[in-house]
Amino acid sequence: NSKVIQTPRYLVKGQGQKAKMRCIPEKGHPVVFWYQQNKNNEFKFLINFQNQEVLQQIDMTEKRFSAECPSNSPCSLEIQSSEAGDSALYLCASSLDSDYTFGSGTRLLVI
Amino acid sequence: QQKVQQSPESLSVPEGGMASLNCTSSDRNFQYFWWYRQHSGEGPKALMSIFSDGDKKEGRFTAHLNKASLHVSLHIRDSQPSDSALYFCAARGSNNRIFFGDGTQLVVKP
Repeated sequence: NSKVIQTPRYLVKGQGQKAKMRCIPEKGHPVVFWYQQNKNNEFKFLINFQNQEVLQQIDMTEKRFSAECPSNSPCSLEIQSSEAGDSALYLCASSLDSDYTFGSGTRLLVI
Repeated sequence: QQKVQQSPESLSVPEGGMASLNCTSSDRNFQYFWWYRQHSGEGPKALMSIFSDGDKKEGRFTAHLNKASLHVSLHIRDSQPSDSALYFCAARGSNNRIFFGDGTQLVVKP
């Protein structure tokens, strides 16, 4: 069982709706990542945090996504207005030094 | 430009055989590498990390790193049907960000 907990497992949204997913990182891991894995299994980095602060994010994330990692609460990633192309597996990972642990993902389907 | 290239895209080996997966980085800043395995419907699970030149062996799995050529390989001996999965090579870049290859689909036939 993964030490990174992602909820929900599956998410179905209509185009234009908000889609929110959550992640509880592994205890003691200060860095949290979000990746999008598409149907071709390609990974796209979205954003990462270190102790609640954003380290790096891509342009798409900055414009269309809302993400946060508050202390003592789950991290979250929210798509403000879902598009069909957002259908993918969203993976959260946390890390400490060279240890990177991934969750099981939230599979988003936008219809 | 893809920073981590994997080959082959897919690989089929008989049960008990040897599976060899390859990965090359195009960025000399990448010094730390991992192999991840992903079964259908799950997130990727770390198999092995390798940070130094040479071989690293863990059970049936052996990873090899050549920093000069930025080449990493994974060899699975005595392959089992349960080894059938997607295998990803990953390298660490700036801001601790992990860059993934496109994956190798391994099928081990009983």
